[in-house]
Amino acid sequence: AAGVIQSPRHLIKEKRETATLKCYPIPRHDTVYWYQQGPGQDPQFLISFYEKMQSDKGSIPDRFSAQQFSDYHSELNMSSLELGDSALYFCASLTLGEFSIPQEAFFGQGTRLTVV
Amino acid sequence: GDSVTQMEGPVTLSEEAFLTINCTYTATGYPSLFWYVQYPGEGLQLLLKATKADDKGSNKGFEATYRKETTSFHLEKGSVQVSDSAVYFCALKYSGGYQKVTFGTGTKLQVIP
Repeated sequence: AAGVIQSPRHLIKEKRETATLKCYPIPRHDTVYWYQQGPGQDPQFLISFYEKMQSDKGSIPDRFSAQQFSDYHSELNMSSLELGDSALYFCASLTLGEFSIPQEAFFGQGTRLTVV
Repeated sequence: GDSVTQMEGPVTLSEEAFLTINCTYTATGYPSLFWYVQYPGEGLQLLLKATKADDKGSNKGFEATYRKETTSFHLEKGSVQVSDSAVYFCALKYSGGYQKVTFGTGTKLQVIP
């Protein structure tokens, strides 16, 4: 079965550069979540989209932005990168059932971003 | 902000043992609570849910009770099987399609024959 595809898998950027991470959800899933996981830390929720609209925002810096496109894939744009942005960024693809209860959730394998 | 804390794994049990996986939450409102299971190589599947305090969710022999006084939603099963080996995620969500799901970090369960 198709899984959540994230690209690139690894990315090395210099400070103050920009980066774009992509997430392709499971077909028929309309909800995408983005998480950031620093070394040895729990995942931190960044932002989510439902039906191409931003549904919630977590601890996402103002330097970051994201959107969900008409084909439901999502892109996380990161500007003015800092050393502290080095982390694993992964997305989750969900489908909501009755009463908006998540029925299925698939996590991508993540993009490992290293800022040097 | 809202958060979900699960006990660290892996949890290793012998077949037919009693299972408890602890889950506590921090929430500003009154969310619904969920347990998801992820079998090897698959995505998360909804296992059970509870939408308000004192509700008990149950499915496939698993149970969890929404305890508002202790902000907990511990997962229990009276007799585990090898086929229950998986990763279990606790989660919370407020009603409405535009509300995010907050997941715990997962607890791996290994059941040995």
